[in-house]
Amino acid sequence: DTGVSQNPRHKITKRGQNVTFRCDPISEHNRLYWYRQTLGQGPEFLTYFQNEAQLEKSRLLSDRFSAERPKGSFSTLEIQRTEQGDSAMYLCASSLNARDRWNQETQYFGPGTRLLVL
Amino acid sequence: KQEVTQIPAALSVPEGENLVLNCSFTDSAIYNLQWFRQDPGKGLTSLLLIQSSQREQTSGRLNASLDKSSGRSTLYIAASQPGDSATYLCALTPISSGSARQLTFGSGTQLTVLP
Repeated sequence: DTGVSQNPRHKITKRGQNVTFRCDPISEHNRLYWYRQTLGQGPEFLTYFQNEAQLEKSRLLSDRFSAERPKGSFSTLEIQRTEQGDSAMYLCASSLNARDRWNQETQYFGPGTRLLVL
Repeated sequence: KQEVTQIPAALSVPEGENLVLNCSFTDSAIYNLQWFRQDPGKGLTSLLLIQSSQREQTSGRLNASLDKSSGRSTLYIAASQPGDSATYLCALTPISSGSARQLTFGSGTQLTVLP
């Protein structure tokens, strides 16, 4: 079973450094989402891709954040000049958006990357 | 703006009890609702998806209901087991054709089932 995978699973960095996370979705899924989850809260939407196109970004995604999905497969999320407030779990999810089942779309989540900024 | 609330934040029950987790939301018009489970430090596992046109879904010992008129959903867990201990999150997603499906989550209920 090849579900959604994320790497690395844990990342510790110093304030001001850049970090990059990778997400590999379920292979036939055309949509990919990024969420951020802080302790005791539910995940918050950051951005999503339909194939390689980034179609929506949350206001939570400051200009220090950038996401790509260059070939419509894996995606990367980069945070530049990290701040302590960036410490969180970063979750990736993928789904299949199909015309004949558009109202049954289900997102499948990866295990997340936990970021700690010192 | 959609807001999702889950009360209580934490719940402890003895093994074998039936229990109900609550989720309330402000905008139900065109949303599907999903219940997830999250184990400590892990990602989310989808439990049940209730489409906007449906009223309930069942999977094994789990039953989820959706009442759009009152803006509420419940997740019923029968005969709870220690392995059910986890955080349970509800989330809503808009379903208009072609729209993004970003999920709006509640903050979850942390369930502990005591042996």
